[in-house]
Amino acid sequence: QTVVTQEPSFSVSPGGTVTLTCGLRSGSVSSSYYPSWYQQTPGQAPRTLIYSTNTRSSGVPDRFSGSILGNKAALTITGAQADDESDYYCVLYLGSGISVFGGGTKLTVL
Amino acid sequence: EVQLVESGGGLVQPGGSLRLSCAASGLTFTTYWMSWVRQAPGKGLEWVANIKQGGSEQYYLDSVKGRFTISRDNAKNSVYLQLNSLRAEDTAIYYCARFRSSSQKFYFDYWGQGILVTVSS
Repeated sequence: QTVVTQEPSFSVSPGGTVTLTCGLRSGSVSSSYYPSWYQQTPGQAPRTLIYSTNTRSSGVPDRFSGSILGNKAALTITGAQADDESDYYCVLYLGSGISVFGGGTKLTVL
Repeated sequence: EVQLVESGGGLVQPGGSLRLSCAASGLTFTTYWMSWVRQAPGKGLEWVANIKQGGSEQYYLDSVKGRFTISRDNAKNSVYLQLNSLRAEDTAIYYCARFRSSSQKFYFDYWGQGILVTVSS
């Protein structure tokens, strides 16, 4: 069973920079997993932020960026704003039609 | 504008069945894979199933294999999820999503608003 790991929670100051990560309990994340990132606020459907490691979805501001850092995928928010306070999920595509979500990171902006 | 609208949720007893529907508009439906993703109350998102453009190939989360069936009707621009042998742990909001599957791209790009399924006696 493939387990995708994310920090359960993180906090950032307004205007600050934060990097959330997405790893594998066993193994390394590479671009071959086509990591994608989603933002979800309470009561709302997810919103697609990043796909294929580092491509921003349409309409996503450029303060959101994706990368591979070491053996993990990463989502960096530069110049955090109050409305960035959300849950963030990564997804890895395992191939053969199978996707796996990470457990999500609850980001607090304070 | 792409729109995905789910319907068919509700309260069902353990062991019961339910059929979810997702009506798609604003896209060339036959071009895309479609997906179902769920979220249990207070929990994270969980991928449930994918179906390819023609409908002949489906993929499932291990815990729903043999109980859930994803299907599509390309003439009606709709995708379905048949939920059988339901368990309390299947209680969740179920989201319909478009799944982009092409060279160098594998991700969910559009989402419905979700539909609640509650399994309880």
